[in-house]
Amino acid sequence: EDQVTQSPEALRLQEGESSSLNCSYTVSGLRGLFWYRQDPGKGPEFLFTLYSAGEEKEKERLKATLTKKESFLHITAPKPEDSATYLCAVQAGDFNKFYFGSGTKLNVKP
Amino acid sequence: DTEVTQTPKHLVMGMTNKKSLKCEQHMGHRAMYWYKQKAKKPPELMFVYSYEKLSINESVPSRFSPECPNSSLLNLHLHALQPEDSALYLCASSQRGPGAVRDTQYFGPGTRLTVL
Repeated sequence: EDQVTQSPEALRLQEGESSSLNCSYTVSGLRGLFWYRQDPGKGPEFLFTLYSAGEEKEKERLKATLTKKESFLHITAPKPEDSATYLCAVQAGDFNKFYFGSGTKLNVKP
Repeated sequence: DTEVTQTPKHLVMGMTNKKSLKCEQHMGHRAMYWYKQKAKKPPELMFVYSYEKLSINESVPSRFSPECPNSSLLNLHLHALQPEDSALYLCASSQRGPGAVRDTQYFGPGTRLTVL
């Protein structure tokens, strides 16, 4: 069964304390992996798309990487405004369907 | 510009009411989506319109009725909802739609629906 798992469920960091979020997947025919940021009560905000193993994308303090089985979202020197839930979605299968992970809730304390 | 707009932001309705949610995009995208998101859960796909035709219905109850009047607009008509239908309803759009690879979905801010 196609599956997307994100870990940890929740992560508390001090401001400036770098860390990584994980998105592992077991799908057939990966077409793309997408990272979104979601603030409470709002829609997901698109961050990155990765298509092939070895690919990396960067935006400000965020860097996303992709292997054949997982993706990491690295957060360097986070700030309190980086606090949000980070969702991973995988596009795969015959119909290129989106499969969402359950998200990682990040809390960055000043 | 990657903006998807949704109205209203909040909606409270009784179980006998009829209401509609609206979604609009002006990016020239040819696919539009409705998702339902409960608290602390990921979005769940409800419907997909591709080139103004319904292409995916994820076995959604008939009390939810989607409509795509044109390529920029998407509606979700609500009737006889249940309290468990209370959730954040998200609209998204993408350039090409189901079956297309490298097709990023862009989400609107959502409508917070409460059914009393």
